[in-house]
Amino acid sequence: EMQLVESGGGLVRPGGSLRLSCAASGFTFSSYSMNWVRQAPGKGLEWVAYITSSSSATYYADSVKGRLTISRDNAQNSLYLQMNSLRDEDTAVYYCARSTGPLDFWGQGTLVTVSS
Amino acid sequence: EIVMTQSPATLSVSPGERATLSCRASQSVSSNLGWYQQKPGQAPRLLIYGASTRATDIPARFSGSGSGTEFTLTISSLQSEDFAFYYCQHYSSWPRTFGQGTKVEIK
Repeated sequence: EMQLVESGGGLVRPGGSLRLSCAASGFTFSSYSMNWVRQAPGKGLEWVAYITSSSSATYYADSVKGRLTISRDNAQNSLYLQMNSLRDEDTAVYYCARSTGPLDFWGQGTLVTVSS
Repeated sequence: EIVMTQSPATLSVSPGERATLSCRASQSVSSNLGWYQQKPGQAPRLLIYGASTRATDIPARFSGSGSGTEFTLTISSLQSEDFAFYYCQHYSSWPRTFGQGTKVEIK
């Protein structure tokens, strides 16, 4: 059974840092590009970042460029999102999602709350 | 950046009726368009990709059409489990962008 399980969310002060993880199982993680997508409370979906299967390329939404960094460890079947200089507007549920063009499989998400 | 615009924001439909949701792109995305369903407290689920191909295990009552800048998601006969939020997203260029969503609610 395919699974994506996010972890690492929590409460953080504005300006602080957090590292999210996404553990993959049930498929060949190293063969797929991956994404982070977020959803602020009561709002719609916002694509955040993308990484190719070999980490050869990454892309970011303008709203997070320079502050959030996507990475992966294929040996550990894991995806990461390093979040620095966090702002109130980064408060959201963060989902990891597999890419085959469209986002064909999603985790259940982890909540990040940025508040003083 | 390609802006995706969905309409209507809310669609009130009776069970068994047809629902038609629209998604417009600010420039052509060819057929690089997906539709997602999201129920409260759950992760999104891929319904349609390539504008018109149903994803795995998606019932035949869901269909997608369109190309270029105009797209439609049709639910032929709404079931109780179909009342949810629906989002379109293009994967034609960077950044990938979602529409703001359509809520399908019970009339």
